[in-house]
Amino acid sequence: EAQVTQNPRYLITVTGKKLTVTCSQNMNHEYMSWYRQDPGLGLRQIYYSMNVEVTDKGDVPEGYKVSRKEKRNFPLILESPSPNQTSLYFCASRQDRNQQFFGPGTRLTVL
Amino acid sequence: AQSVTQPDIHITVSEGASLELRCNYSYGATPYLFWYVQSPGQGLQLLLKYFSGDTLVQGIKGFEAEFKRSQSSFNLRKPSVHWSDAAEYFCAVGPFNDYKLSFGAGTTVTVRA
Repeated sequence: EAQVTQNPRYLITVTGKKLTVTCSQNMNHEYMSWYRQDPGLGLRQIYYSMNVEVTDKGDVPEGYKVSRKEKRNFPLILESPSPNQTSLYFCASRQDRNQQFFGPGTRLTVL
Repeated sequence: AQSVTQPDIHITVSEGASLELRCNYSYGATPYLFWYVQSPGQGLQLLLKYFSGDTLVQGIKGFEAEFKRSQSSFNLRKPSVHWSDAAEYFCAVGPFNDYKLSFGAGTTVTVRA
């Protein structure tokens, strides 16, 4: 089954404790992206990647890092999480200009 | 800069009634427009998209949207809603390569029996 998976689905952590949210897709898509969703703000793009080793900032990249060492994986790294990064995070992938496939989301709480 | 405005935060509609969700965009070139739906606890699913051709676009689940360049709008419609249409709907705009999509804040649709 074609899908985008994210882990963990739920995470509660404390300020400053480094964490990684993994994202993996099994569709051999070149393009992958991370979004955060906050009430009243919709989805905002954090980072995107057009291919392996090619990444670029979205609209809200501060406090986040990404890497794209292989095509299927696109982890989101929070080196020193803060409470304002409490949010619902979505990973997405697509090939060329076809639709984006979204993962199920990761709900992160930073205390 | 590109941006999307969804003027209605919440809409309540009776089952079987028609539904229209508004979307206004700001974009300097020819836009690439999308409507997504998010059911509770789920990720986003693409309903339809527009980037050229016929300005009336048909999507899944009986939805359609009309692109009006003169009004910078891309409103979503459904003639007769079902209880399963209760969800949050997002409009999005992006450039030709759509690497950077901008989403609206979303409209929550409640369907009453």
